[in-house]
Amino acid sequence: KQEVTQIPAALSVPEGENLVLNCSFTDSAIYNLQWFRQDPGKGLTSLLLIQSSQREQTSGRLNASLDKSSGRSTLYIAASQPGDSATYLCAVNNQGGKLIFGQGTELSVKP
Amino acid sequence: NAGVTQTPKFRILKIGQSMTLQCTQDMNHNYMYWYRQDPGMGLKLIYYSVGAGITDKGEVPNGYNVSRSTTEDFPLRLELAAPSQTSVYFCASSETGIYNYGYTFGSGTRLTVV
Repeated sequence: KQEVTQIPAALSVPEGENLVLNCSFTDSAIYNLQWFRQDPGKGLTSLLLIQSSQREQTSGRLNASLDKSSGRSTLYIAASQPGDSATYLCAVNNQGGKLIFGQGTELSVKP
Repeated sequence: NAGVTQTPKFRILKIGQSMTLQCTQDMNHNYMYWYRQDPGMGLKLIYYSVGAGITDKGEVPNGYNVSRSTTEDFPLRLELAAPSQTSVYFCASSETGIYNYGYTFGSGTRLTVV
């Protein structure tokens, strides 16, 4: 059974700092991995999707990497801003579209 | 473009009551999903559908039912509400399943069972 773990559960950084969020999964037979952002009381916004054949994806200040063999993904956020404060969720797709989610990392960026 | 619309946004139910959570998407996506999110946890899949007339169980289906009569609509039914069903419910859709190019989520329904 696929299990997804995110570390740390919460993170607080000063504005401007670069940071890394971690995601690990137990079954490497995945089709893709996705990172989402969730603001309090809101739905999920897709940030980056990495197909199993890819190593990384970039969007603006965000860079996500995937190492399928070791069951790890990282989300790198450059020059963090207070507006980046949110919960970040990692999810893997290894059963025909059904996502398995980690529990999320709650990020707080202090001005 | 509305995306995925969920109603209601909030609901309080008494134990034993029933209700239907509505979900509609206007992107002509084949795949639709219902997830629940408990406090401090990730999302868990309740039911999913790969097209009109086809539904299947996810990780936590007990106490729920779904139907998919049209491509656009995927309602979730709670027949006998229990306190354990207190959660935030999210509906999502995607164009395809395996090699999908991203999910679209609704804004959620916050359900409390008392």
